[in-house]
Amino acid sequence: EPEVTQTPSHQVTQMGQEVILRCVPISNHLYFYWYRQILGQKVEFLVSFYNNEISEKSEIFDDQFSVERPDGSNFTLKIRSTKLEDSAMYFCASSHRTYSSYNEQFFGPGTRLTVL
Amino acid sequence: KNEVEQSPQNLTAQEGEFITINCSYSVGISALHWLQQHPGGGIVSLFMLSSGKKKHGRLIATINIQEKHSSLHITASHPRDSAVYICAVKGETSGSRLTFGEGTQLTVNP
Repeated sequence: EPEVTQTPSHQVTQMGQEVILRCVPISNHLYFYWYRQILGQKVEFLVSFYNNEISEKSEIFDDQFSVERPDGSNFTLKIRSTKLEDSAMYFCASSHRTYSSYNEQFFGPGTRLTVL
Repeated sequence: KNEVEQSPQNLTAQEGEFITINCSYSVGISALHWLQQHPGGGIVSLFMLSSGKKKHGRLIATINIQEKHSSLHITASHPRDSAVYICAVKGETSGSRLTFGEGTQLTVNP
């Protein structure tokens, strides 16, 4: 069964460093998402991406964050200068949304980011 | 007030018991998800509902749009059902984003 994959599973970085989290969505999906979950808190939406551009973003997704689909398969989340409060589990999701309907989102296993 | 409220926050059951987890939401929605999160952190989608009822194995999900309420039931619970169960909604006017509840920690003892 097709699934969303994410790499790395765990990333440790120093404060101020740039990190890139990678996702491979399900191959025929058109919408891509990033969510994050700070330890002990609920999952929060960061950004959605469709047709090579951001379709929606939350207030969390500030100028330190960017997303990209550099080729036909990968979807990346970049954090330019990490802060301690960026430590969280980051989930990628994808869905095969058509123009007129919303379809189920499928989640990857997550990348645990630890900022020291 | 959170847009999505789940109850209970924690639930401990004996193997074989019937489990119910509730989700209430305050906004108009076009879809509701039930998700399962295991201790390693990964999230698995169990159901997506926009009306009525769905069943998959021992899991049943129902939704009442008028009352803005959904329930997840687990019949004949088993220790491997121990996980966090999360309700998430897609609002009618919120694009594609999902808004998540806090989750319900379920522990099923043998």
